[in-house]
Amino acid sequence: AQTVTQSQPEMSVQEAETVTLSCTYDTSESDYYLFWYKQPPSRQMILVIRQEAYKQQNATENRFSVNFQKAAKSFSLKISDSQLGDAAMYFCAYLWGGSEKLVFGKGTKLTVNP
Amino acid sequence: DAGVIQSPRHEVTEMGQEVTLRCKPISGHNSLFWYRQTMMRGLELLIYFNNNVPIDDSGMPEDRFSAKMPNASFSTLKIQPSEPRDSAVYFCASTQGLGGFYGYTFGSGTRLTVV
Repeated sequence: AQTVTQSQPEMSVQEAETVTLSCTYDTSESDYYLFWYKQPPSRQMILVIRQEAYKQQNATENRFSVNFQKAAKSFSLKISDSQLGDAAMYFCAYLWGGSEKLVFGKGTKLTVNP
Repeated sequence: DAGVIQSPRHEVTEMGQEVTLRCKPISGHNSLFWYRQTMMRGLELLIYFNNNVPIDDSGMPEDRFSAKMPNASFSTLKIQPSEPRDSAVYFCASTQGLGGFYGYTFGSGTRLTVV
C-alpha cells in the first residue's frame, strides 16, 4: 500500500525567510501525482502545488516550489519569502494514476514568526 | 464559482441520534469524495462517487455510515446511530474527470461532535 510520510510534525520560520517541508512516499507505481495542500485555521483545504511523476521539471507556483526526487521518493515543499498568511498545516498527498484515492501524510504545522 | 459547499459547518448531536452531512460539488465536476479528518488517523477517504455512482466505499468504517448522491449537484453522508468516536471533521471534495489530475477542491468541512 502506498504511504506518505511527513517527518516534521512542526516547523517554524521567520517572516521573509525560506523554509522547506519534507515529504517522502512509498510506491511501486511509475505513474502518479503528488500534491501539497495547505490547511489554515479556517479549516479549508487549499491546493498549493502539484507535480506529475513523469515530469522531471520541478513545479513552481509563485513563492512555492518543490524539489521532486523520484528515485529517492522525496517531494519537499519550499516556501520563499514566508508571510504571516503562510502559517497553516501543510499536507503532502499522493495519487496513483489509476486510482481516485488521495493518500495524505499526517501533516506539518508551520508557524511564521514576525 | 462558489466552490464545494458543505453544510452544516458545525454539528453537535447526542449519541444515538442520526446525523446527515450535506455537500454540493462544483458544477461540472463529476467525481465526489467524502473524507474524515481526526487527530489520530489524519485524513481518510470514506467513499467516492463518479457520475453519481458509488465507486469505492471501502473506507466507510461500518454499517452505521451511508452515503448517497442522488444527482450531480448533491450528496449526503449519514451516520445512524452516531457515536462519540464519530467526532471528527468531515470533508467533501470534488474534481473533474478521473485520476484527480487537477487535484481535488475541498469544501470547508463539517465539524461533528457527538456527546
